[in-house]
Amino acid sequence: KAGVTQTPRYLIKTRGQQVTLSCSPISGHRSVSWYQQTPGQGLQFLFEYFSETQRNKGNFPGRFSGRQFSNSRSEMNVSTLELGDSALYLCASSLVLAGVTDTQYFGPGTRLTVL
Amino acid sequence: GENVEQHPSTLSVQEGDSAVIKCTYSDSASNYFPWYKQELGKGPQLIIDIRSNVGEKKDQRIAVTLNKTAKHFSLHITETQPEDSAVYFCAASRDSDSWGKLQFGAGTQVVVTP
Repeated sequence: KAGVTQTPRYLIKTRGQQVTLSCSPISGHRSVSWYQQTPGQGLQFLFEYFSETQRNKGNFPGRFSGRQFSNSRSEMNVSTLELGDSALYLCASSLVLAGVTDTQYFGPGTRLTVL
Repeated sequence: GENVEQHPSTLSVQEGDSAVIKCTYSDSASNYFPWYKQELGKGPQLIIDIRSNVGEKKDQRIAVTLNKTAKHFSLHITETQPEDSAVYFCAASRDSDSWGKLQFGAGTQVVVTP
């Protein structure tokens, strides 16, 4: 079974631009979570989607948004990029069994650099 | 909200020795505790997880223990090998109203020297 895939793997943008990152979950997984990883703040939860609905959201500004499609693929968007948005963005997918979110499996991440 | 503290931040061990990483959590409603290993340039990889109805779980050289009363859990790696060198993260979550959210510790850089 293929793992979680994320595209692109690397991105370089300038301040003020916007960016869209893509995540394809493991086949059969319907929950997708997004995390930001930085040396200073570690791994921080951005949001989670299940059945095309955002069920949970972390403490990030409204510039960070996401969506999920009917095939469970997910995208996240960051508008008006700031230097501090430079990070590794990780997505994780999981099964949802009887309302309980199962183990999260992570993709390789997208390395975003904002200049 | 949940807060997870992880110690130590770095750990150097000789090949063949054991390594122990400890985490504490604040939310008594947390009921799921995974451990991830992250190698350079890769995403976190699940190595073992435990739920709150179990006190200990073992998988070959890796074991996790959970003390719900004290709200702490630990990762034990025995007979360490150079390929165990990586950053290890503990995490905690709860099923109710916290869908898909893992609260991570700050990570432990483990270096295994031959």
